[in-house]
Amino acid sequence: EVQLVESGGGLVQPGGSLRLSCAASGFTFSNYWMHWVRQVPGKGLVWVSRIRSDASITTYADSVKGRFTISRDNSKNTLYLQMNSLRAEDTAVYYCAREGSVVDFDYWGQGTLVTVSS
Amino acid sequence: QSALTQPASVSGSPGQSITISCTGTSSDVGGYNYVSWYQQLPGKAPKLMISEVSNRPSGVSNRFSGSKSGNTASLTISGLQAEDEADYYCSSYTSSSTPYVFGTGTKVTVL
Repeated sequence: EVQLVESGGGLVQPGGSLRLSCAASGFTFSNYWMHWVRQVPGKGLVWVSRIRSDASITTYADSVKGRFTISRDNSKNTLYLQMNSLRAEDTAVYYCAREGSVVDFDYWGQGTLVTVSS
Repeated sequence: QSALTQPASVSGSPGQSITISCTGTSSDVGGYNYVSWYQQLPGKAPKLMISEVSNRPSGVSNRFSGSKSGNTASLTISGLQAEDEADYYCSSYTSSSTPYVFGTGTKVTVL
């Protein structure tokens, strides 16, 4: 059974940093592109970042470019999102998602809430 | 990259069919057959319901179907059931610097 479990969310002050993790199991993690998607509570889904299976390609939404860094450790089956210079507008539930075979998001984690507030 | 446009809400009675539209541009919905649909139950993570415009993943009810015409994709739920009450989001690959875009989301209410 495919499982994605996020962790690392919490309350952080504006300008602070946080690192999210996503532990994957039930599939060959090193074969798949992985993504981060966020959702402000009560609002819609917004794509944040992706990383190729071998970590050779990373892409970011304009809103987080230069502040967030996606990475992965295929030996630990874990995806990461390093978030720096956090702003109030980064407050959201952050989901990790696996990219399926046809440019979709076929499995999602349960999400981890990040709150940026003083 | 602007979000794809969906109606804020759609409702129907049990057993009826409803259709949710998802309108983009030739740079996203109209340019690629990489449109997918997600169901999000309250407090839960999204679940893939349709991929590649009209393909149903294993385990998804055949009451859910997808289509596309020009820059607009559609999700149809037939034989509406109480358990279908949820938020639904479309998504498309795009040619912009942000390669993926989601729709604004549609709340489906079963009357």
